[in-house]
Amino acid sequence: GNSVTQMEGPVTLSEEAFLTINCTYTATGYPSLFWYVQYPGEGLQLLLKATKADDKGSNKGFEATYRKETTSFHLEKGSVQVSDSAVYFCAFILTGGGNKLTFGTGTQLKVEL
Amino acid sequence: EAGVAQSPRYKIIEKRQSVAFWCNPISGHATLYWYQQILGQGPKLLIQFQNNGVVDDSQLPKDRFSAERLKGVDSTLKIQPAKLEDSAVYLCASSFGQGDLYEQYFGPGTRLTVT
Repeated sequence: GNSVTQMEGPVTLSEEAFLTINCTYTATGYPSLFWYVQYPGEGLQLLLKATKADDKGSNKGFEATYRKETTSFHLEKGSVQVSDSAVYFCAFILTGGGNKLTFGTGTQLKVEL
Repeated sequence: EAGVAQSPRYKIIEKRQSVAFWCNPISGHATLYWYQQILGQGPKLLIQFQNNGVVDDSQLPKDRFSAERLKGVDSTLKIQPAKLEDSAVYLCASSFGQGDLYEQYFGPGTRLTVT
């Protein structure tokens, strides 16, 4: 079946540290890949996306590259800030799947001074 | 531009009681989604509307859950009767269309606790 596997949290980093949150997917068709972020008390927001293999999505200093050969879409940021503390969700939509998102379980990131 | 509105933000009920959640999507968005997010899990799609018609309700527990979007704008999700395992955050989202890659915009959610 279709699923997304994310690394478990919480991930705790010091400010300016390098961030990687791993995400792999299992999909029966050709997916478009997404990272969503949920700040405390707020709704989910689209952070970045990639729609085909080898595409790189980027936003607010975050990046993720669509790796079809390893079915992965790992999220990275070179220097995290306290304001990046949130829960990050990896997700996909299957092409022709009616815009139905399949989410991972989320990874909580805590950034400390 | 106003975002997706949901109410109430929090609700506590006893098992076997009924509860309803309301969602008002972004103006002009034809597609509306209800997701259930159980603690420690990712959101799961319950139902998707295109205007006032149901596109996908394959994961909606229809024996106790119902949803409507009568005028193709705002929507109500109801649980009757509630069970303990229904404790979750219920997220509403909307998008301009239902085709692939129309961005979904999420509301803040309603946190339901069933005791």
